[in-house]
Order: sequence, then C-alpha cells, then structure tokens
Amino acid sequence: QKEVEQDPGPLSVPEGAIVSLNCTYSNSAFQYFMWYRQYSRKGPELLMYTYSSGNKEDGRFTAQVDKSSKYISLFIRDSQPSDSATYLCAMRPSGYSTLTFGKGTMLLVSP
Amino acid sequence: NAGVTQTPKFQVLKTGQSMTLQCAQDMNHNSMYWYRQDPGMGLRLIYYSASEGTTDKGEVPNGYNVSRLNKREFSLRLESAAPSQTSVYFCASRGVRSHNEQFFGPGTRLTVL
Repeated sequence: QKEVEQDPGPLSVPEGAIVSLNCTYSNSAFQYFMWYRQYSRKGPELLMYTYSSGNKEDGRFTAQVDKSSKYISLFIRDSQPSDSATYLCAMRPSGYSTLTFGKGTMLLVSP
Repeated sequence: NAGVTQTPKFQVLKTGQSMTLQCAQDMNHNSMYWYRQDPGMGLRLIYYSASEGTTDKGEVPNGYNVSRLNKREFSLRLESAAPSQTSVYFCASRGVRSHNEQFFGPGTRLTVL
C-alpha cells in the first residue's frame, strides 16, 4: 500500500460547480498537510497547507484534515476554467523536511 | 527575484551519455530538492540537501548523483543515462521561515533514447 493514495481522475465539472478532491494516507505520523496546484508543463505551486486536524479557508478554497480517518480534502467553490490543473496532496511528519506526495488529480472545468 | 531556475529546459540524450541538470535559487533558502515526475507515478524525491554541505538520498536515488555547490546551487548528474530516466525533473527549495512551502522550478524535460 502506498503511503498516500489519490485518484488520478480526470475529474470533469462545469463552471460554477463545487469540486471535492481527496487523499487518503496510511502513516499516522503525518502532521503537516498541503495541496499543490500544477498547471500543464509548469512546476507545482503551493495552494494551501494545514497543520494537524481541522479546516482552513482561503477564498474559494477550503482544506480539511480528518486525522482519525487519515483523510484530507480540498474543496473548490464556484470553480472556474482557470482552476483546470492537476492538484497534488503532500504531507510530512513533524520534524521532517521531506514531503510525501500523492500522484495528483487532474481537474477539468468547462465553461 | 527569479525564484528557482533550472537549466536546460529540454534535453535529449542517447543511452550511456552523461549530463548535469543545474538548479539555482535566489531566496536564500537552506534546503533544496530534486524530484522526478512520471505519468502515473507522481512526484518522487531523488535527492535532497537540508543545508549547504549535506546531501541525502530520497526515494529513487539510483543512477543519480548530486552536488550542493553552494547555498544557491544544487546540481543533479546522470553519469550514464538510461531510457528509464526519461522524465520531467523538478528542483525545489525551502527556507527555514517558509514552514512547509517548497518552491518549485519550471522543470527540465529529459528524453533518453
């Protein structure tokens, strides 16, 4: 079993839809959780990060962490065609400098 | 600030050839990383350098060597390229104050024939 599992998609939605992207993990030591966005032929860029359990909101984006279920989510409200990208989850234990990435979910938002 | 820069952007090699991928950052970051990204495999860590003068193996180090030349520069060398090393290579850096944020370069697309 991979440490971090993420459905590769593609996930296709119409503009304005609410999008839910998810990752599951097996390592209970993970404490820091991140979402990266990667446009085609570009490097990943950090979208959001969360420490331990709970929610964090930034504009149209909300990150949720449920450590009891080892499950993290990224919600995108009022999705836009410019949100079309691959979204990668990443996580690490406290005290570590390296990240474990999911394989990424490709999101396509059609006008 | 240019952020993280990588050269070259594209490269085609023949099996057995060698080459060095260059990475530089101008953010005064301590930590630097090399990843490869393959379809269906996600981002996998090759090597990293937590600080100037130190390097450590990641998940997939075989066939690669690295040099942390100074605080700004971290190079990745393929001594004898193999078709299995065809991939997109990303360099990233992270500073002490940037918590979990790794800043990524634009990538190098390498094809080994």
